[in-house]
Amino acid sequence: GESVGLHLPTLSVQEGDNSIINCAYSNSASDYFIWYKQESGKGPQFIIDIRSNMDKRQGQRVTVLLNKTVKHLSLQIAATQPGDSAVYFCAENRAKAAGNKLTFGGGTRVLVKP
Amino acid sequence: ETGVTQSPTHLIKTRGQQVTLRCSSQSGHNTVSWYQQALGQGPQFIFQYYREEENGRGNFPPRFSGLQFPNYSSELNVNALELDDSALYLCASSPQAGRDTGELFFGEGSRLTVL
Repeated sequence: GESVGLHLPTLSVQEGDNSIINCAYSNSASDYFIWYKQESGKGPQFIIDIRSNMDKRQGQRVTVLLNKTVKHLSLQIAATQPGDSAVYFCAENRAKAAGNKLTFGGGTRVLVKP
Repeated sequence: ETGVTQSPTHLIKTRGQQVTLRCSSQSGHNTVSWYQQALGQGPQFIFQYYREEENGRGNFPPRFSGLQFPNYSSELNVNALELDDSALYLCASSPQAGRDTGELFFGEGSRLTVL
């Protein structure tokens, strides 16, 4: 079936470097694409979202890129910090009228090395 | 502003039993969704409640049921527990059901173990 998935299960990055987390999706009908961060023992925390009619959106130290041609989503974290160590999930919201019923991918673990 | 709170945080049940999990939504949020997160996987949508009615359901059997109360709090009930029901159950609230962005506010979850 259709799903949202990730290329890399684990990403190890040096503190201060930039991180790039990738995600592939298969449903062209999705309206929003979202990134969540989940720290150990906690629920997912919203990072940033992007509407399907946009290519790029920036937040604080994060940038999300959407390439609809190849159905690819990425999250860039600038100057990665130890507090960025977590599992990152991409998700999609498929139903414009349904409201916030998200389909999550499998997650990428980011490990920040000091 | 109080965030999403869930109870209990951990519980152990045996196969065939029933369980009720509870969730208080963030202040001002009238929509509650429940997700199941198996170990090492992403959350899977179970169902959503808005104005005390089910407003969408994922691919889960009828033994997964829920309620939403006038104060917007919610319960998830699972009957006839199976071993595969062992997971972290996440409650998430949002301001309104019709909002079509992706921002949900999650609680820290209830970890259910079925033996």
